[in-house]
Amino acid sequence: DIQMTQSPSSLSASVGDRVTITCRASQSISTYLNWYQQKPGKAPKVLIYTASSLQSGVPSRFSGSGSGTDFTLTISSLQPEDFASYYCQQSYNSPYTFGQGTKVEIK
Amino acid sequence: EVQLVQSGAEVKKPGESLKISCKGSGYTFTSYWIGWVRQMPGKGLEWMGIISPSDSDTRYSPSFQGHVTMSVDKSISTAYLQWSSLKASDTAMYYCARQGLGISLDYWGQGTQVTVSS
Repeated sequence: DIQMTQSPSSLSASVGDRVTITCRASQSISTYLNWYQQKPGKAPKVLIYTASSLQSGVPSRFSGSGSGTDFTLTISSLQPEDFASYYCQQSYNSPYTFGQGTKVEIK
Repeated sequence: EVQLVQSGAEVKKPGESLKISCKGSGYTFTSYWIGWVRQMPGKGLEWMGIISPSDSDTRYSPSFQGHVTMSVDKSISTAYLQWSSLKASDTAMYYCARQGLGISLDYWGQGTQVTVSS
């Protein structure tokens, strides 16, 4: 199985901050990397697919980059509704494993 | 509007069987694989497997192979996840989701809470 490692596991940030979350794969996954946001008590929601493609309806302050083994999710200006947990997922090889998650909290 | 609607919360005893459902609407059900994701209390997302509604082809995570069974009834646009013998460690929220662009999970059900306790 491909292991996905996110960092940090949690972070504290203020509204308006630029936030970056990284995800590393245990082997090359080309650009088969997706990012999800999950708020407490809610189902996850896809933000980014194939590393850098913005899902329809997702605000443009979210962006993704990377290829191979190293990827980043960037929130250019953190908004109150962005405080949530974020997960990466590789879709290169089954099982399509998730990272362990990053919780973004209010500073 | 694409929707996945899951069956309601379940409370079961260890050793009992269970089948939960996920009904798709607003799209051609047989054109998109359905995935299942587990989230244990306070923990992250775990990919369990996917099933093709068109031919019932399945891919299981090794972590779940042999303990759960995925199935579909395409005549009623419904996918299922079932257990023959539940354990307390199966207590979790289970989500179904449609596999869309980039093999991402683009539409999700609301989740089914399964509680296994004696």
